[in-house]
Amino acid sequence: GENVEQHPSTLSVQEGDSAVIKCTYSDSASNYFPWYKQELGKRPQLIIDIRSNVGEKKDQRIAVTLNKTAKHFSLHITETQPEDSAVYFCAARNIGNEKLTFGTGTRLTIIP
Amino acid sequence: DAGITQSPRHKVTETGTPVTLRCHQTENHRYMYWYRQDPGHGLRLIHYSYGVKDTDKGEVSDGYSVSRSKTEDFLLTLESATSSQTSVYFCATVRTGGPVIYFGEGSWLTVV
Repeated sequence: GENVEQHPSTLSVQEGDSAVIKCTYSDSASNYFPWYKQELGKRPQLIIDIRSNVGEKKDQRIAVTLNKTAKHFSLHITETQPEDSAVYFCAARNIGNEKLTFGTGTRLTIIP
Repeated sequence: DAGITQSPRHKVTETGTPVTLRCHQTENHRYMYWYRQDPGHGLRLIHYSYGVKDTDKGEVSDGYSVSRSKTEDFLLTLESATSSQTSVYFCATVRTGGPVIYFGEGSWLTVV
């Protein structure tokens, strides 16, 4: 089955700086890669996703890049703000089999 | 949030007792999932369903069973709860053709 590795497990950045979280996946058939943000005590919420036919996608301060050859994808957050502090999860999925496999999460702390 | 409600939201139970968690959705989504979330492990798939009475195991299914007799309800049962099953349980759904996964608010289970 699919295996998703996520790094780093914790990340602290100064407010206004950029944060990058990286994930690798094992199943070359995976074709959908979402990122979820989870605040303390809350449910995971989708923040951005990308399909395998696209190399990059951007939504305001958040962007995701995908390298299918290397089987890795990354989340980029620019101009970080205190409200960006949360746990972020990457995931990979083969839309054909409908199973979503998650990484182990990154706790991002924004230092004011 | 796809109209997903989980019950109970919080439960404390004793080792060896049976426990059933309920997930109810109002969007007629075909696919439903149960995940557990533990520190350092991210979100791990327990069981999932791709239709009424159609279910399959995830990566951590031992000690759990599920049932789906109606499209809107997906039940997770711990036949004999153990302390290792203390966790936060999230239900999730995907509509046919997806791919976005929507999560419920979570159920906090403590087995003492």
